[in-house]
Amino acid sequence: AQSVTQPDIHITVSEGASLELRCNYSYGATPYLFWYVQSPGQGLQLLLKYFSGDTLVQGIKGFEAEFKRSQSSFNLRKPSVHWSDAAEYFCAVYSGGGADGLTFGKGTHLIIQP
Amino acid sequence: DAGVIQSPRHEVTEMGQEVTLRCKPISGHDYLFWYRQTMMRGLELLIYFNNNVPIDDSGMPEDRFSAKMPNASFSTLKIQPSEPRDSAVYFCASSLSGRVETQYFGPGTRLLVL
Repeated sequence: AQSVTQPDIHITVSEGASLELRCNYSYGATPYLFWYVQSPGQGLQLLLKYFSGDTLVQGIKGFEAEFKRSQSSFNLRKPSVHWSDAAEYFCAVYSGGGADGLTFGKGTHLIIQP
Repeated sequence: DAGVIQSPRHEVTEMGQEVTLRCKPISGHDYLFWYRQTMMRGLELLIYFNNNVPIDDSGMPEDRFSAKMPNASFSTLKIQPSEPRDSAVYFCASSLSGRVETQYFGPGTRLLVL
């Protein structure tokens, strides 16, 4: 079965600084990979997704992520964070084949310092 | 489109009471998913439907939980009787056949069982 690991429970970044959130997955084949963001009291919003092709994918709100097969990673990046980026970020994997739900990591809580 | 709609947004009830959570998927989406989010276990898939038919309910924690989808635009998740350990945020998501990997989430129902 697939699994997703987000090794950082909390990350604190100064406003304007760059950001990288880590995500590692465990799956035999190339999965479909996603990053979602959850603002306080809100549902999950899809930031970006990787299915195939170019390993660097662009998402909304200035986020991007890079798929690295050799490292089984799909890290999320942003060159300059804004205070409004403070939220919970979830990496998820979909294994394909039949229709299943997404498997989520435990999430990384992003704190923005002024 | 209004997106996935869930009601109520918040529910506080006493142990032993019946709780019913409701979801309206995005119009035209034929897959519907119920997830539960807790601090300890993160986001977990409970059950999902395709064309109103339950496909996989292996994530449903126990017989106290049941879910129905009487038509394409409405689903319920019922807990009877409720227990304090059921306190969580319950999310509904929907997706389109052929794009089932891209799921759109509702705002969630925050349930507190006292």
